[in-house]
Amino acid sequence: GESVGLHLPTLSVQEGDNSIINCAYSNSASDYFIWYKQESGKGPQFIIDIRSNMDKRQGQRVTVLLNKTVKHLSLQIAATQPGDSAVYFCAENSANTDKLIFGTGTRLQVFP
Amino acid sequence: GAVVSQHPSRVICKSGTSVKIECRSLDFQATTMFWYRQFPKQSLMLMATSNEGSKATYEQGVEKDKFLINHASLTLSTLTVTSAHPEDSSFYICSARDSSGRVYEQYFGPGTRLTVT
Repeated sequence: GESVGLHLPTLSVQEGDNSIINCAYSNSASDYFIWYKQESGKGPQFIIDIRSNMDKRQGQRVTVLLNKTVKHLSLQIAATQPGDSAVYFCAENSANTDKLIFGTGTRLQVFP
Repeated sequence: GAVVSQHPSRVICKSGTSVKIECRSLDFQATTMFWYRQFPKQSLMLMATSNEGSKATYEQGVEKDKFLINHASLTLSTLTVTSAHPEDSSFYICSARDSSGRVYEQYFGPGTRLTVT
């Protein structure tokens, strides 16, 4: 299930199930979005990105969906594995700036 | 390719001292690097944008005299935390943009854990 902690929401899934991590972004002018995975004590690792002219993009076991109408982004992980346990961040970028703005993050916990 | 390193990975210093953190792009040139700070269980917050050969641009609320940034070459940016205090204890992460790559693409370093006692 999904719960909201003091700072970081947590999603708990069983190994082999699919995971869906959601993100709401703030800037309607943002035109590039990225999902990052961050393991404890490490820097963010690129997973997948999507431009605003697309609404879906697939990678290996991962799919990103973009709904610009409601400014919502989701990351779907198929057949979740223990190695997927980490914190996942969405980030948005606007053509007007070179900055990445990170979302609050979601902790994914995978149980055997 | 596109590897970014940080040094040190961990540092413990006493309150009032200064600490320098290095960020290097190992196999590409980076005219722009970014410095982020991350507190436990929180997201990455952009502190400043570092441009090679010019002054850094700081985000609102970040003290430029406390967090000194120098981007003296196309492969190295440094962040110096001056007169560090316990509240500066955090995870500092840099990223670098490949000058020849897509404008949006940033490569992240492994982070530096700073503990101020």
